[in-house]
Amino acid sequence: GAVVSQHPSWVICKSGTSVKIECRSLDFQATTMFWYRQFPKQSLMLMATSNEGSKATYEQGVEKDKFLINHASLTLSTLTVTSAHPEDSSFYICSARDWGARDGNTIYFGEGSWLTVV
Amino acid sequence: DAKTTQPNSMESNEEEPVHLPCNHSTISGTDYIHWYRQLPSQGPEYVIHGLTSNVNNRMASLAIAEDRKSSTLILHRATLRDAAVYYCILGGDNYGQNFVFGPGTRLSVLP
Repeated sequence: GAVVSQHPSWVICKSGTSVKIECRSLDFQATTMFWYRQFPKQSLMLMATSNEGSKATYEQGVEKDKFLINHASLTLSTLTVTSAHPEDSSFYICSARDWGARDGNTIYFGEGSWLTVV
Repeated sequence: DAKTTQPNSMESNEEEPVHLPCNHSTISGTDYIHWYRQLPSQGPEYVIHGLTSNVNNRMASLAIAEDRKSSTLILHRATLRDAAVYYCILGGDNYGQNFVFGPGTRLSVLP
């Protein structure tokens, strides 16, 4: 089946620095990818929709200047947390839909990336 | 987005069947019913999905009510590795449509 991979799986950064998380669709092309954030013992919350070759669409309350999303190719989307603060520490998850597959209605998720800001 | 309602938690004994219910009374005609599960510190894993007819795969079965206002995910023989949070999600066939996650059902499997 389709595979979505994230890197890094975990990262620790100092407060005030920026960190980039990559999301790749390994065996299919994804013109649209989604970024979620999940705090401990809570459900996934959609942050933004990443569109290849155009600007991302952010959910209400998500700062677009803080969470920079770039979707420069059909297999790669990146999320950059700029000027990270401890409250940005969370589990970040990306997903993509393999529209070309027979089961094109299925969305596949990455393994997630733990961000800890100290 | 149409919403789903699931019990917060359920328990099962190992090697027994588990029936996880989901209510979705406001489902639209084009909404598929998707089930995902999430193990601790991992991204959600696809389990099964369906539209109107019951579906079976190697992981589980999905029973969909005739009026489509509810569905049940069936794990035929629970194992300790099935302990996870199970999410029932509605989604259409719009390529750009994302999935909205509710709190899901936390399944505990007792040895």
